[in-house]
Amino acid sequence: QQPVQSPQAVILREGEDAVINCSSSKALYSVHWYRQKHGEAPVFLMILLKGGEQKGHDKISASFNEKKQQSSLYLTASQLSYSGTYFCGTEILMDTGRRALTFGSGTRLQVQP
Amino acid sequence: EADIYQTPRYLVIGTGKKITLECSQTMGHDKMYWYQQDPGMELHLIHYSYGVNSTEKGDLSSESTVSRIRTEHFPLTLESARPSHTSQYLCASSEYFGANTEAFFGQGTRLTVV
Repeated sequence: QQPVQSPQAVILREGEDAVINCSSSKALYSVHWYRQKHGEAPVFLMILLKGGEQKGHDKISASFNEKKQQSSLYLTASQLSYSGTYFCGTEILMDTGRRALTFGSGTRLQVQP
Repeated sequence: EADIYQTPRYLVIGTGKKITLECSQTMGHDKMYWYQQDPGMELHLIHYSYGVNSTEKGDLSSESTVSRIRTEHFPLTLESARPSHTSQYLCASSEYFGANTEAFFGQGTRLTVV
């Protein structure tokens, strides 16, 4: 029931762009994106609700296609501070009939000078 | 800054011991979660709760148990710790549903069972 993320890892030079994809086999109520730096807790970036919306946060934006059960995170003009592991969180209906937030395997992003 | 706290931050314990990992939040959130994460790896949902006296098991089979007697408190217990339980445990909380279901994470408990 966990979403699938791709790529698993990416290395960028400062100023380059990257796209991280997330797909689910289950219907999605919402998609969350988090970034986790080594030894720290995940930090919330943004949430996308049903409706195919797109959101932006500085030079980081995301889209959500609920029909395809997919989301993408776009990082433009990457900065050194963008380095970390990015997790896609999907709010899905569990077998218990309750919604819960499950996470993908993460994408390790390294931005080099 | 998130008002969710986990204790202890680090714990080294012997095989067979009973342990309880504490998680408390002061945001009045109904939803709370426990995730297990090996270093640099994915977050696995092991337990979640929708409110007092409401707990469910997550995707990853776990030998741990949880309780939710008070809204702000969601402890996780291992009755008999084993080396395979060595991992980081992250607690999170969020509002029930809607546009504000952002999950706030605690700093985690890094557990080592020797």
